[in-house]
Amino acid sequence: GIQVEQSPPDLILQEGANSTLRCNFSDSVNNLQWFHQNPWGQLINLFYIPSGTKQNGRLSATTVATERYSLLYISSSQTTDSGVYFCAVEKTDKLIFGTGTRLQVFP
Amino acid sequence: SAVISQKPSRDICQRGTSLTIQCQVDSQVTMMFWYRQQPGQSLTLIATANQGSEATYESGFVIDKFPISRPNLTFSTLTVSNMSPEDSSIYLCSADPGGRIYIEKLFFGSGTQLSVL
Repeated sequence: GIQVEQSPPDLILQEGANSTLRCNFSDSVNNLQWFHQNPWGQLINLFYIPSGTKQNGRLSATTVATERYSLLYISSSQTTDSGVYFCAVEKTDKLIFGTGTRLQVFP
Repeated sequence: SAVISQKPSRDICQRGTSLTIQCQVDSQVTMMFWYRQQPGQSLTLIATANQGSEATYESGFVIDKFPISRPNLTFSTLTVSNMSPEDSSIYLCSADPGGRIYIEKLFFGSGTQLSVL
């Protein structure tokens, strides 16, 4: 089956710093989504981004489908950005999740 | 968007017993999905539940262990049967309310934290 790898696995930042999270996938996909799982376990959908670039406030995402990767940018990080970030790819009507990046932002 | 209510939010169960998790969506959806998240791990798809048909299980998951019901377009249940400590995980239900033939934006319930003693 399709493999979805994320890097880095862990990231520690000071408030105000910028970061880039990467998602690589091993096969062509129909679409890609980014999620944030907060420290209480709730999953929030950040982006639906099968290709191109989208921005939402301090977050933006870029997917290059032909090269099978996606990037999530977090600018001016805040402590509330802490949690785990997952990318997930859709293939044959189901969403397959990546390995995740655990982000900790300290004041 | 969609509001997905899941209950119970957590439970502690004895080995050998079963637990049924309920998932309610505030709009009609074609497909509902059940995921398992083991401690410190990513999400793994258990099965896809369509109304009026048998659930489709992923490799490594079987109907006898994880029976699923989907009686209508807004509700589903997942049962974890004959539990062992290895079943201790967070179980999440999800759905895409968009009504399209493909998945665009998946929404999740708040999860059920299951601990098996």
